[in-house]
Parts: sequence; C-alpha cells; structure tokens
Amino acid sequence: DAKTTQPPSMDCAEGRAANLPCNHSTISGNEYVYWYRQIHSQGPQYIIHGLKNNETNEMASLIITEDRKSSTLILPHATLRDTAVYYCIVGNYGQNFVFGPGTRLSVLP
Amino acid sequence: EAQVTQNPRYLITVTGKKLTVTCSQNMNHEYMSWYRQDPGLGLRQIYYSMNVEVTDKGDVPEGYKVSRKEKRNFPLILESPSPNQTSLYFCATITSGRGEQFFGPGTRLTVL
Repeated sequence: DAKTTQPPSMDCAEGRAANLPCNHSTISGNEYVYWYRQIHSQGPQYIIHGLKNNETNEMASLIITEDRKSSTLILPHATLRDTAVYYCIVGNYGQNFVFGPGTRLSVLP
Repeated sequence: EAQVTQNPRYLITVTGKKLTVTCSQNMNHEYMSWYRQDPGLGLRQIYYSMNVEVTDKGDVPEGYKVSRKEKRNFPLILESPSPNQTSLYFCATITSGRGEQFFGPGTRLTVL
C-alpha cells in the first residue's frame, strides 16, 4: 500500500498557482518526500524532493510541515502543459518506492 | 544525452513464452529499478538493484526475474508470462545522492 494519501483529482486555472497536498503521516525519520508527474503514459518525470526544509527549483516549490506528516507541491504559474498525474512518494534512495494513484491535475484555460 | 532506453516498446505474446525486456542507461548510475503500472494502481516496484550483482525484491516480484551483470544493463525476465502480467513496464535509474529517478519510455506488454 502507498504510504501517502493524495486527492484523486484537482482543477486549476491557467496562470494560477496549483497547490497539491499530500499526507504521509507514517513517514520515517530518514525518508524523503519526492514528487513526480506523469503525462499520459510517458515515464514519470522527477519534480522535486525534500527531507525537512522547504525546497524550490525551476519547476516547483515543496512545503513540508514541521512534523513532516504532510507536504504541498506548488506550481507557481500553472500552464496547460502541467496537466498530468502528480505522485507524492516517501522513501529513501528508491528502496520500495510506492507510487499510489496520485492526483490528476487538470489545468483549465 | 542522458537517457534510459527500453526494448521492445511494445510486445504482444502468448502465455508461457519466455521473454526479456531490456533496459540500458548511459548515466553510470549504480541504482536501477523496474516498475509495472496498471490502471488505478499507480506504479509498483518489481525489483531494484543497488549495484552490479546486487538485486532486491520490490513490492510485486512474483513471476519476474532480473539480473545485473554490468552497471548499464538491467533486463527484466518473464520466464513463463501469464495474462495478469499484461501491463506497462518502466525501468528507472537514480542519481547518487539526490535520489532523482530517471524513467525509460515504457514497454507495453500484452500476454494473451
């Protein structure tokens, strides 16, 4: 079973920020939070990951709560090309990574 | 160009006929992994390898074999395929330290 819980779907208006939540209440102290996305049936694409601190890169920002039991992926200015399934995963260096059903994000014009 | 390649991309076969799906990477990554993806179930890890000659079971290893004789290749072997192994398969590698996974383009397998 996936160690994370995500809403099955979300909509976001083009140009607005998309905030995708993830609950991971059983995360262990040495496990990272990873976010990937998958467009159609292509191979998943890495977005960002973090351990405790908030992280930002050219694609997104990751906000992790202080107790590490949940996190939020932020796409600051969503475009139509961001329409995809987004996966939140907890793990350590790829061991027993479990990709749950994810959140299907639809960016609407 | 850094990439993970899989062959074949599409395969239709019959029950019991042994097959191998190849995976190759040109990034010199030590870690490689195989996943299967089924509708509504996300991606599930089949096997992973931390280095040459080191392999471990993931969540759904039954019916599959792997080998890691050299760093760049990690073939997935189905000795006796069954219809419940009809799925979309992805190979992936991980960068050392960051844990970022690079996925191949996928292999769509149908077992009749």
